[in-house]
Amino acid sequence: NAGVTQTPKFRILKIGQSMTLQCTQDMNHNYMYWYRQDPGMGLKLIYYSVGAGITDKGEVPNGYNVSRSTTEDFPLRLELAAPSQTSVYFCASSYSASPGELFFGEGSRLTVL
Amino acid sequence: QKEVEQDPGPLSVPEGAIVSLNCTYSNSAFQYFMWYRQYSRKGPELLMYTYSSGNKEDGRFTAQVDKSSKYISLFIRDSQPSDSATYLCATGWGQNFVFGPGTRLSVLP
Repeated sequence: NAGVTQTPKFRILKIGQSMTLQCTQDMNHNYMYWYRQDPGMGLKLIYYSVGAGITDKGEVPNGYNVSRSTTEDFPLRLELAAPSQTSVYFCASSYSASPGELFFGEGSRLTVL
Repeated sequence: QKEVEQDPGPLSVPEGAIVSLNCTYSNSAFQYFMWYRQYSRKGPELLMYTYSSGNKEDGRFTAQVDKSSKYISLFIRDSQPSDSATYLCATGWGQNFVFGPGTRLSVLP
């Protein structure tokens, strides 16, 4: 069982470039999330989705976009990359919103120079 | 005031020690409480969760919640080098999960 798969694992971007972080889950989970993790700051929710075609903003959505055309896939788009977007990005999924058992991918480490 | 506060460590203990990891939270509306373990360069994985005040035990791990003082603890008995990781507490309700910054634990053989 692959679980939650994220690609790429590492990426270096120049300021102003755009890219998409891919996330796929094979557990048929309805809920999917994108978090960023910065040192000493904890995981911050960027966007989440409760099902195909439905997305909503989290705590730190500025500079990002998402789409959810299928249950399995939840890509995160970075437009006009800025150094403040240097972070580790985690995609997660869950069967239901509660009690909060999130299944995380291994992360995508992004550096913007 | 941050919603969830956690001592970042690092915390180093000898193998076999009892480890106590702690968090405080500010929002009394939070309904469930979780501990995630994150190994270096990996995603977090759920270790324990609970809805209520009191203790919940799972093997060497005990989660303790005191809603009256908004305090969450994780105890690890007979700690092993394989327990070396960052431990994230998390709490929330519905879609709203709030994570602490994590405590980095090293268990020395």
